[in-house]
Amino acid sequence: NAGVTQTPKFRVLKTGQSMTLLCAQDMNHEYMYWYRQDPGMGLRLIHYSVGEGTTAKGEVPDGYNVSRLKKQNFLLGLESAAPSQTSVYFCASRGLAGERPSYEQYFGPGTRLTVT
Amino acid sequence: AQSVAQPEDQVNVAEGNPLTVKCTYSVSGNPYLFWYVQYPNRGLQFLLKYITGDNLVKGSYGFEAEFNKSQTSFHLKKPSALVSDSALYFCAVRALYNNNDMRFGAGTRLTVKP
Repeated sequence: NAGVTQTPKFRVLKTGQSMTLLCAQDMNHEYMYWYRQDPGMGLRLIHYSVGEGTTAKGEVPDGYNVSRLKKQNFLLGLESAAPSQTSVYFCASRGLAGERPSYEQYFGPGTRLTVT
Repeated sequence: AQSVAQPEDQVNVAEGNPLTVKCTYSVSGNPYLFWYVQYPNRGLQFLLKYITGDNLVKGSYGFEAEFNKSQTSFHLKKPSALVSDSALYFCAVRALYNNNDMRFGAGTRLTVKP
């Protein structure tokens, strides 16, 4: 199993440009998450999904949109990138409460995004 | 709302010495508590969790953590540190009733010197 994969690994955008980050998981997990990691701030939840076709806002959703058209994929979109969105983005997934293991999240390797 | 505090940005220990990385939490009701480790240019890897049961939980790579309800703490420990343990460690908490709001601490950088 590949686990959780993210593409691309690196990207540089100019202010105002748009892009989509792709997350894929092969563990048949119901829940998927997008986080951003900034120095000294830990991980903050942007958006999450509790199943195919559903999405919800997390702690810092402004400036981002997401879609979960297929169970294995979770897309994060930036419609008009801003320098404040320079960060490392992590995708994660986890299974249902009745499955084992279920409580912990599995993370992808991250996407380093720079907005100039 | 739940939150986690990791009071130390940096912890330095000598190889072979015991290590402790501190974590305190705030949550309404019973907590689910986690420790993750992040190596350079990698995603977070799960180390261990406390859901219920014994207050001392054992995890990967010889790490363990003690849940202390009265002190609202969940400190990560290892009896004998290795240079390869050097990494960024994150504590995380979520409330029992909230499946999707897991809060992470700011992280503690552990450096183990030979």
